[in-house]
Amino acid sequence: GAVVSQHPSWVICKSGTSVKIECRSLDFQATTMFWYRQFPKQSLMLMATSNEGSKATYEQGVEKDKFLINHASLTLSTLTVTSAHPEDSSFYICSARDLPAGGQHEQYFGPGTRLTVT
Amino acid sequence: GEDVEQSLFLSVREGDSSVINCTYTDSSSTYLYWYKQEPGAGLQLLTYIFSNMDMKQDQRLTVLLNKKDKHLSLRIADTQTGDSAIYFCAESIGRGPRRALTFGSGTRLQVQP
Repeated sequence: GAVVSQHPSWVICKSGTSVKIECRSLDFQATTMFWYRQFPKQSLMLMATSNEGSKATYEQGVEKDKFLINHASLTLSTLTVTSAHPEDSSFYICSARDLPAGGQHEQYFGPGTRLTVT
Repeated sequence: GEDVEQSLFLSVREGDSSVINCTYTDSSSTYLYWYKQEPGAGLQLLTYIFSNMDMKQDQRLTVLLNKKDKHLSLRIADTQTGDSAIYFCAESIGRGPRRALTFGSGTRLQVQP
């Protein structure tokens, strides 16, 4: 089946620094990728929709200048957390749609990246 | 607006059936999903159901959809210790490729040996 990878799987950074998280579709092309954030023991909250070759669409309340998303190719989207603060510590999960062959249910999730800001 | 709710915790004995419930509010949902998340891992799609279906069975999994009451359930037959995880229901609204999913809060299933 289709595989989505994320790198790194786990990162610790100091407050004020920036961290880049990569999301790759390994064996399919994804024109659309989604970035979610999951707090401990809570659900996934959609942060933004990443469209290849265009600007990302951010959900209400998500700061686009803080969470920079780049979808430079059909297999790679990156999320950069700029000037990270401890409250940005979370589990970040990406997903990708397999297009055009995929059906409505073809959305594949990455394994997630755990970010800890000290 | 979109709102998906689940009970937080369910404990069953190995071999029993588990039933995880979910309610949603948006009647325009087109697909409803069940995902499984094991500790520290991403999401694994278990099954899905189209909104015009009432039931779907896939091996040990049975999904029931009551569209009138906006209620979705997942039944796991012969529950095993390996089924211990968090289960999320999610809905997808509308058509087209760019839709994200709205997730419930997740139900933690604990299977006692």
